[in-house]
Order: sequence, then structure tokens, then C-alpha cells
Amino acid sequence: NAGVTQTPKFQVLKTGQSMTLQCAQDMNHEYMSWYRQDPGMGLRLIHYSVGAGITDQGEVPNGYNVSRSTTEDFPLRLLSAAPSQTSVYFCASSSFQTSGGKYEQYFGPGTRLTVT
Amino acid sequence: GNSVTQMEGPVTLSEEAFLTINCTYTATGYPSLFWYVQYPGEGLQLLLKATKADDKGSNKGFEATYRKETTSFHLEKGSVQVSDSAVYFCALKKGSNDYKLSFGAGTTVTVRA
Repeated sequence: NAGVTQTPKFQVLKTGQSMTLQCAQDMNHEYMSWYRQDPGMGLRLIHYSVGAGITDQGEVPNGYNVSRSTTEDFPLRLLSAAPSQTSVYFCASSSFQTSGGKYEQYFGPGTRLTVT
Repeated sequence: GNSVTQMEGPVTLSEEAFLTINCTYTATGYPSLFWYVQYPGEGLQLLLKATKADDKGSNKGFEATYRKETTSFHLEKGSVQVSDSAVYFCALKKGSNDYKLSFGAGTTVTVRA
């Protein structure tokens, strides 16, 4: 099992450029989500999905789009990058299985994005 | 809404010192509580969790007890090592049918030899 994988690991964009951050998981998890991590603010939820074809907004969705065409993949699109989107982005996934205290969200290694 | 408040860091300790990181939460009902750890340059890993009041989560010498009366889930370790240097996040999950996590701001811990 590779778990949750993210590409690229680092990216530098100019203001106004667009790009897609890739996320994939091989655990057949129903739930996937994207977070951004900023100093002193913890992780904030951008978008999430409870299954293929179903997505919803989190706490900070503006400027980002997502789609979920397969169970495995959950790409995050920046439509027109802004310096305020400079951050570290984490993808996570989990099963719906919660009985017996089994619930756990698994995180990818992150993508460090700089927008100049 | 749901929220998690962690003690502010950074925290710097000597090896074998006692570590406590305070975490309190605001939520309705009976949330599940988690501590995640992020080592330098890596993603987050689950450290321990508790799903109901008075549960104690433990792993790698760390412990935290779910205290509903004080809405707290403080992380403790009796004797830290240099390898425990990391950022620690407290998080909550609202209920059994809600899979979103709400995170605290994170506490950076540095352990010196």
C-alpha cells in the first residue's frame, strides 16, 4: 500500500497562473479531503468528498475547485493563483468505518506551494 | 460550531523532561478526539485518539484522557526524547456520520539533548 500520495512536492507559481495538485489513495477510502496548513492556524479544510461524484465545500473553499471522478483520485485545482494561496497543502482520506474506535484519517506528505 | 484550542508554543524541553500540551474543545454532542504529530518535512500521523468520555488514548509513551467535564484532551509524556521534536495537533471529529476534522493551531515542540 502506498497510502495517500501527492504530487508535486514543491511548486512555484506566478500570480494568475492555474495548476492542479494531485492526490491519490489506494486504500479504497470513501472520504477524501484537502487541507491547507498555515503558521499559527493549524489545518483548515478546503473541500471534501464522501464518494465518487460527490464533493462539498469546507471552511476555506474560495479560489479552489475539486472533482472526484474515481474513488482513488481527488485533484485540487487553483483557478487563478494568488499570493494568499501560498501554503502547504495536505490531502487526506479515511474509511467510513468508525465502529470500535477504528476511525483514522490518513494524510499525504504535502505539497508546498509558493505564489509570487 | 466546533473548535479546538491548543496551548501556544513553541515549547523547548531538555531530554527526559515531562511534556504537557493543553487542548480544550468546543462541540455539541460527543465528539471523537485525536492527537496528530507532524515530524519535520512530513505529513501528519495519528498519534492517539479517544472516542468517548474518560477514554485514555496512548501510544509511544504519550497519553491523553478525554475529559468531558472540562472539555479537555491534554497530551502528556513522562520523559521526552530528541526524536519527539515535532509539531503536535489536537483535533476533533464531531460525530459518527461527520468525517470532517477540526484542528487546533498546532504546538511546536523541540527537545534538546
